[in-house]
Amino acid sequence: AQSVTQLGSHVSVSEGALVLLRCNYSSSVPPYLFWYVQYPNQGLQLLLKYTSAATLVKGINGFEAEFKKSETSFHLTKPSAHMSDAAEYFCAVSDYVGAQKLVFGQGTRLTINP
Amino acid sequence: DAGVTQSPTHLIKTRGQQVTLRCSPISGHKSVSWYQQVLGQGPQFIFQYYEKEERGRGNFPDRFSARQFPNYSSELNVNALLLGDSALYLCASSLAGLGSNQPQHFGDGTRLSIL
Repeated sequence: AQSVTQLGSHVSVSEGALVLLRCNYSSSVPPYLFWYVQYPNQGLQLLLKYTSAATLVKGINGFEAEFKKSETSFHLTKPSAHMSDAAEYFCAVSDYVGAQKLVFGQGTRLTINP
Repeated sequence: DAGVTQSPTHLIKTRGQQVTLRCSPISGHKSVSWYQQVLGQGPQFIFQYYEKEERGRGNFPDRFSARQFPNYSSELNVNALLLGDSALYLCASSLAGLGSNQPQHFGDGTRLSIL
């Protein structure tokens, strides 16, 4: 069975600092991996996806993530945090067979300090 | 183009009642999935429908059911509501169905409160 673990339910950084949100996955087959962002009272917006092409994936709003098979990780980074990045971030995994089912982590709430 | 639209945005019900939530996918998308997001947790998969057929079901009781219409819109029905059904219900659509890496695009959800 697939699973996702997001290390740190809350992360707080200063404006302009590096953002690092951690995600480790478990999958019996090569996975598809996604990062989504959720702003208050809204649905989920896709930030980026990994689908077995390049291991370094660039997404929207300056975010990127690196797929590391040996570490079963897919950490999300952004070089310089903006106040507008404050939100809940979810890592999700799915596989290439069966239903198009996303398995989500518990989420990481990102706070940006001025 | 319009995104995924869900209705209603908020709903209050009492225990034992039944509820129907509605979802319209992005134009051209044939797959619709439903997720339940309890406060403070990540979304949990409930159903996927593709080309009007159920393609996947999560670990939810039979009180939960869904269907997809010829225009690819979808309804989620929940019977005999329990307090634990209080959650944000998210609908997502995508271009393809099984075994696809096409991303799912989410609506803003229906917030269901059970009293």
